[in-house]
Amino acid sequence: DVKVTQSSRYLVKRTGEKVFLECVQDMDHENMFWYRQDPGLGLRLIYFSYDVKMKEKGDIPEGYSVSREKKERFSLILESASTNQTSMYLCASSWTEKNEKLFFGSGTQLSVL
Amino acid sequence: QKEVEQDPGPLSVPEGAIVSLNCTYSNSAFQYFMWYRQYSRKGPELLMYTYSSGNKEDGRFTAQVDKSSKYISLFIRDSQPSDSATYLCAMTPNPGGSNYKLTFGKGTLLTVNP
Repeated sequence: DVKVTQSSRYLVKRTGEKVFLECVQDMDHENMFWYRQDPGLGLRLIYFSYDVKMKEKGDIPEGYSVSREKKERFSLILESASTNQTSMYLCASSWTEKNEKLFFGSGTQLSVL
Repeated sequence: QKEVEQDPGPLSVPEGAIVSLNCTYSNSAFQYFMWYRQYSRKGPELLMYTYSSGNKEDGRFTAQVDKSSKYISLFIRDSQPSDSATYLCAMTPNPGGSNYKLTFGKGTLLTVNP
């Protein structure tokens, strides 16, 4: 079974803190994605990566950065957390040749106080 | 007009009912259509995948695409309490290659009551 593991299930941070969200997949997927999911707004793509050290902006990249130093690991960084970044963050991965099938992690519920 | 519109519900039905979930879209370039199911406190998982117009059946689930109307549907027959989840439609012009992303609907919350 494919596994996408997010490092934390719940996280509470203070405004202005630098926050790291980690995601690891074990299926040698080329593509990895970070989404946030908010009530009434659905899933919104923050960043994605189709190869090691490659990254592309999604629909809402402002206030975020990413890092992909190894194929299996994709990190989302909040440089200076703000209250409007309180959200559920979902990591996903996929094979390039079968991109319709995203494998999601269970999510990290981040609260910024 | 948003690219993908999906009624958020919530939708509550009795066990055994036929459920119809729908999405409309505005981008005529979309060719590949998916339904994801998301249980509470879990990430979404792919349920059905169809290409272009037509129907696809998998057990109690049928996905239907009408490209002329820019309308897709997911039907659930003999619904079960275990079908209670949020259902998200998703679509893309072309799933292959790099520089790719899916466009998701906002999801419909379904509850099937025993």
